[in-house]
Amino acid sequence: QTVVTQEPSLTVSPGETVTLTCASSTGAVTSGYFPNWSQQKPGQAPRALIYSTSNKQSWTPARFSGSLLGGKAALTLSGVQPEDEAAYYCLLFQGDVWVFGGGTKLTV
Amino acid sequence: QVQLVQSGAEVKKPGASVRVSCKASGYTFTSCTIHWVRQAPGQGLEWMGWINAGNTETRYSQKFQARVTITRDTSASTAYMELSNLKSEDTAMYYCARQSGGSAFDYWGQGTLVTVSS
Repeated sequence: QTVVTQEPSLTVSPGETVTLTCASSTGAVTSGYFPNWSQQKPGQAPRALIYSTSNKQSWTPARFSGSLLGGKAALTLSGVQPEDEAAYYCLLFQGDVWVFGGGTKLTV
Repeated sequence: QVQLVQSGAEVKKPGASVRVSCKASGYTFTSCTIHWVRQAPGQGLEWMGWINAGNTETRYSQKFQARVTITRDTSASTAYMELSNLKSEDTAMYYCARQSGGSAFDYWGQGTLVTVSS
C-alpha cells in the first residue's frame, strides 16, 4: 500500500509564506497523480482547495497556490491569515485508487 | 447549488453492518463520481472507495475491499456505502465527496458519525 507523507505540523506567523509538501512512497509525484488539497477546521467537514496540482476551486482564496516542487506536490500559502489555521490534507491518485496524506496541522 | 446531504448518526454493535447514504442535488447525478472517506476520532482522512454514478463502476481501498460495498440509486440521486462486520476501530465520521471533471474533489457531505460499541 502506497504511503503519502506530509509534514505533521508547521507553525507560522501572520503574513508569512509557508509551503506544505506531499510525497509518495512510490517515487516522484507528477501531474499524473492529480494532487488535490483540502482544508479541515475542527468540527467541520473538509473543504476542497486545489485540484490537479494547481487548479483552484472557485472559492479558494488567491493566497493559496499548488505546484510540484522537488518531486513532491506542494501547497503554498502566501501571506498567511489567522483563519488559515487548520489541518491540510493532500490526496494522490495511484493507479485506480486514491490515497490521503496524513495531514499537516498548520498553526498560525 | 451543489449539495451532498448524508444520513444521520448510527450506533451499531460489533459484527453488524451499517449503510450510510449521500443524497446529491444541484447537478446531474450520473455525471460525477462519488467517493467515501472516513476519519477516526483525532485522526486523518482515509479514502475508502468510489463509484462512478454513471456506469456503477467501483474501486475500493485494499484495506476495505472485503467489507465495503458502494452502490447508487439514480432515481434518488443517492449513493450508499455499506460497511460490514463492524469493529470498534470502525468508529469514525464517514464522508462522501464528489469528484467532478479534471479529477477535482470539490463538494463534501456534512459527515455521518458511526459508533461501534457493544
